[in-house]
Amino acid sequence: GAVVSQHPSRVICKSGTSVKIECRSLDFQATTMFWYRQFPKQSLMLMATSNEGSKATYEQGVEKDKFLINHASLTLSTLTVTSAHPEDSSFYICSARGPDYEQYFGPGTRLTVT
Amino acid sequence: GIQVEQSPPDLILQEGANSTLRCNFSDSVNNLQWFHQNPWGQLINLFYIPSGTKQNGRLSATTVATERYSLLYISSSQTTDSGVYFCAVERSRGAQKLVFGQGTRLTINP
Repeated sequence: GAVVSQHPSRVICKSGTSVKIECRSLDFQATTMFWYRQFPKQSLMLMATSNEGSKATYEQGVEKDKFLINHASLTLSTLTVTSAHPEDSSFYICSARGPDYEQYFGPGTRLTVT
Repeated sequence: GIQVEQSPPDLILQEGANSTLRCNFSDSVNNLQWFHQNPWGQLINLFYIPSGTKQNGRLSATTVATERYSLLYISSSQTTDSGVYFCAVERSRGAQKLVFGQGTRLTINP
C-alpha cells in the first residue's frame, strides 16, 4: 500500500512554455501533498504544501505565480511550471501524507528546459 | 527553523561490512523518517521512527528523541544498498513539513 505516482517521469520543453506535472496517491486519500525540488547531488528542498480544497502554502523564495499548485481532489495534486526557463530544469518530487502520518514519495519528474 | 545534520557525508565499504549512519536534529520532533534514494531518484521509505527502535531485515534504526539523534544500521551490506540515505524530520511545533538532512552517500563495492 501507500503508493504515489507521478506523471510524466521525464519532460523536455522549450523556454517560455508551461509544463504540468501530476501527482496521484493510488491507494489512499491524501488531504496534504508536498512538492519538492532536487538539484544534482543535493538534498530535497520543499517548495510548497498543498491542501485539498485550499490554496497551497509556498516556502520562502518560491514564486507562487511561476509554480502553480492545484490540489483538486483527495488523490491528485498538480504542479504547473509556467513560462519555464533553463534555470527551472531540475528533478521535481511530490509526496503525500498517508493515513499513518508517514510521507510517501512519488518517483519524480525530471524537467529539462531548452 | 530546525537543523538536520547527517554524518558521514560519504561512506565507502566492501560488501558484507556493517555501517552506522547518524542524524542529529536541533528541536523536538513528532516525525522522523529514513529514506533510501535509489540511482533513479525514487525515495524508498525505510523507517518511520520518531522514537524507539525498529528492525526490518538487515536494517534497523534507533531514535533517542530526548538527545535529538537517530541512527540507521545496515548489516552485511550488499551492492544494492548503494545510494543516498536521507533523514527527514518534522518539528513538534509549527508548520507540519519534513526537513531533510544533506544525506549520506553510501557506496558498497563488490
